[in-house]
Amino acid sequence: NAGVTQTPKFQVLKTGQSMTLQCAQDMNHNSMYWYRQDPGMGLRLIYYSASEGTTDKGEVPNGYNVSRLNKREFSLRLESAAPSQTSVYFCASLGSYEQYFGPGTRLTVT
Amino acid sequence: TQLLEQSPQFLSIQEGENLTVYCNSSSVFSSLQWYRQEPGEGPVLLVTVVTGGEVKKLKRLTFQFGDARKDSSLHITAAQPGDTGLYLCAGARYTDKLIFGTGTRLQVFP
Repeated sequence: NAGVTQTPKFQVLKTGQSMTLQCAQDMNHNSMYWYRQDPGMGLRLIYYSASEGTTDKGEVPNGYNVSRLNKREFSLRLESAAPSQTSVYFCASLGSYEQYFGPGTRLTVT
Repeated sequence: TQLLEQSPQFLSIQEGENLTVYCNSSSVFSSLQWYRQEPGEGPVLLVTVVTGGEVKKLKRLTFQFGDARKDSSLHITAAQPGDTGLYLCAGARYTDKLIFGTGTRLQVFP
């Protein structure tokens, strides 16, 4: 039982490049989330998925797209990376009363 | 818009000291959670409070939810180096989406 896994752990992109962050959970949870974490700002919700096939924008969705491929997997795509997207990205899934987080992806855009 | 403000932002204390972290908002929350995050990892849930005025204790940690459900506090008695980390409050407003606070980074020196 791995919980929530994220790949890659680290990534460096040049401005304008694209990439997909992968997230998977093995706890059979319906709801999944993508957050970004920046110093002094806590975690901010990028996108949310209440169930397979549904997604909803969070607080900071601009520049991102998501896909809920199936119940286990929820991916985050940056189509054209910008330096403002340098951050640590966390995926989470919702259990009975708490969110379970992955270990994060540290992304740097130069 | 940051709905949850935490104070202080940074706290550096000696082992054995007591401390309190505050989480304040002008909005009402249906429940409030506290998470702790260690470097290189995702946040992990410490406690959930749901009733105004509720107090929960977890060993040396005491959590309180304000009577009006707009604020919360975390008190640590006799802090230990193992308490070092980033503490995040997170509120729910009758949905599955959490709003995270700005975070308090605690360093406890031996």
